[in-house]
Amino acid sequence: ILNVEQSPQSLHVQEGDSTNFTCSFPSSNFYALHWYRWETAKSPEALFVMTLNGDEKKKGRISATLNTKEGYSYLYIKGSQPEDSATYLCASMEYGNKLVFGAGTILRVKS
Amino acid sequence: ETGVTQTPRHLVMGMTNKKSLKCEQHLGHNAMYWYKQSAKKPLELMFVYSLEERVENNSVPSRFSPECPNSSHLFLHLHTLQPEDSALYLCASSQGASLNQPQHFGDGTRLSIL
Repeated sequence: ILNVEQSPQSLHVQEGDSTNFTCSFPSSNFYALHWYRWETAKSPEALFVMTLNGDEKKKGRISATLNTKEGYSYLYIKGSQPEDSATYLCASMEYGNKLVFGAGTILRVKS
Repeated sequence: ETGVTQTPRHLVMGMTNKKSLKCEQHLGHNAMYWYKQSAKKPLELMFVYSLEERVENNSVPSRFSPECPNSSHLFLHLHTLQPEDSALYLCASSQGASLNQPQHFGDGTRLSIL
């Protein structure tokens, strides 16, 4: 069974701080890694889909890296703002298998 | 406006009731999904439909019955549910079911079983 772990479970930062969180997944038979942002009372929003080892993707102040050989992805937020407060989900997929989500990292940004 | 609309937003039902959850996507996608999120657990995939054919049934109890009449609509028929089925049910769609495409989610239906 594919096991996707996210750390930390929650994070409280001050406005302007930069932060990062980790998603760990089994490296064998890897196919794709998804990141989503889920704000309270809204629907999960896709941030990135990454497939290649060494991939780096960026969307505004948010960026992500992927290491498929060691089985981890980092999500970085530069200069956190209160509107970045959300749960950040990662999900991994092996070839021929389903998308498996981690439990998420809850980010709270204080102004 | 997410492009994926779920109704109802909230549903309270008894264990002997029959109800249906509805999902509609306006994005021209050809794959649709049902997910369940129980309290303090990760999102769990229930069903996958690609081109209106079911391609994944993640060992879901038969009291949950999906239906995909066309590529824009997805239903989840509920019958004789248990209290542990109380959860948030999310629908999603994507362009293709290959899972290297991002999924677009609805706002979910919050289901409570009495």
